[in-house]
Amino acid sequence: DAGVIQSPRHEVTEMGQEVTLRCKPISGHDYLFWYRQTMMRGLELLIYFNNNVPIDDSGMPEDRFSAKMPNASFSTLKIQPSEPRDSAVYFCASSLQGGGNTIYFGEGSWLTVV
Amino acid sequence: AQSVTQLDSQVPVFEEAPVELRCNYSSSVSVYLFWYVQYPNQGLQLLLKYLSGSTLVKGINGFEAEFNKSQTSFHLRKPSVHISDTAEYFCAVTQRAGRRALTFGSGTRLQVQP
Repeated sequence: DAGVIQSPRHEVTEMGQEVTLRCKPISGHDYLFWYRQTMMRGLELLIYFNNNVPIDDSGMPEDRFSAKMPNASFSTLKIQPSEPRDSAVYFCASSLQGGGNTIYFGEGSWLTVV
Repeated sequence: AQSVTQLDSQVPVFEEAPVELRCNYSSSVSVYLFWYVQYPNQGLQLLLKYLSGSTLVKGINGFEAEFNKSQTSFHLRKPSVHISDTAEYFCAVTQRAGRRALTFGSGTRLQVQP
């Protein structure tokens, strides 16, 4: 089975540009998570969805960030406008219902804003 | 709310030596406990998890961890490390009921030297 698929793997963009990161969760999983990893702040939860509905978006930094899950097999994380401090690795992850179930991570999208 | 503390940011060790990576957690509710590994430029992979039952949990690649409720600890151990174990290791918790997302520690960099 394919794992969590993220695209693009690497993106370099100029400050002020819009960035869209994409994620395809594992088929059948009903939870989807977006995390951000930086040297300074480690792994931070940005937002998570259950059955395509956002449950907790308290980690979204500010209005420049938005996330959507239009269906069970696709989610996007958008940054508009991007800033250099948004440079990070963004991970998408998914899991089945149930607190003890493993959360599976994608390979990450490496974003550099110059 | 919960938090995770990984006491060592870096652990250098010689090949074939034993290693212990320390993790303490704090939570007002019951939690599940996890260890993830991140190899360079990759996503996170589950090493092992504690849900219930025996406090000694065995995972992949010869790793094991012991849950200690009184000390709120979940230390990771391996009796003999290999060069290929060089990676970042993250301890994480999630609530048994309620909030589904993982809360991560800051990570421990295991550097195995020949």
